Amino acid sequence: SAVISQKPSRDICQRGTSLTIQCQVDSQVTMMFWYRQQPGQSLTLIATANQGSEATYESGFVIDKFPISRPNLTFSTLTVSNMSPEDSSIYLCSVDKSGTSGYEQYFGPGTRLTVT
Amino acid sequence: AQSVAQPEDQVNVAEGNPLTVKCTYSVSGNPYLFWYVQYPNRGLQFLLKYITGDNLVKGSYGFEAEFNKSQTSFHLKKPSALVSDSALYFCAVRDHNTNAGKSTFGDGTTLTVKP
Repeated sequence: SAVISQKPSRDICQRGTSLTIQCQVDSQVTMMFWYRQQPGQSLTLIATANQGSEATYESGFVIDKFPISRPNLTFSTLTVSNMSPEDSSIYLCSVDKSGTSGYEQYFGPGTRLTVT
Repeated sequence: AQSVAQPEDQVNVAEGNPLTVKCTYSVSGNPYLFWYVQYPNRGLQFLLKYITGDNLVKGSYGFEAEFNKSQTSFHLKKPSALVSDSALYFCAVRDHNTNAGKSTFGDGTTLTVKP
């Protein structure tokens, strides 16, 4: 299993500012994933963060808007830059861990962001 | 490409009755299928998964799901619902050849169990 913590748990930010979200895992993992869950909607993958290389972004997401760091195998940050109200979402960090019956995907508790 | 459909936005059941939350999927290869539950103001919790083997998969909190390849479905079930089961449920699919973590999630189904 994997225990994931995120900071902050929630924040209210003004438009035009940036927020950096931290994700800490209790064990080493190769890949970490950042998802967004907009109000009343499903989860959308933003990017995959590998240690030692640039993050890989999904269609519709760009590095300038969502820069990601992955300095080691247990930690990652996601920055939401130049925020607008449309960025109000829950941002979730996730990892995969392999077990005896394949992968299981674990999620952090999420960071609830409100942009005013 | 992979996709998931949860045709019901809401499911309402009485406590003690059986419940079913529906999920259908589409993948180009063999599917890995997952169910997650999200309680208010909480993160996603893993319930169960299908990778291979028995079509009936048992998971946490008494939930089970049946993989049906011909109908491309993976419906979540529980024989006797509890009020505490009320939550948002997500089905997710991944092609077994897809990079780990790149699951596609359904839109979610809100389950309400009434006393």
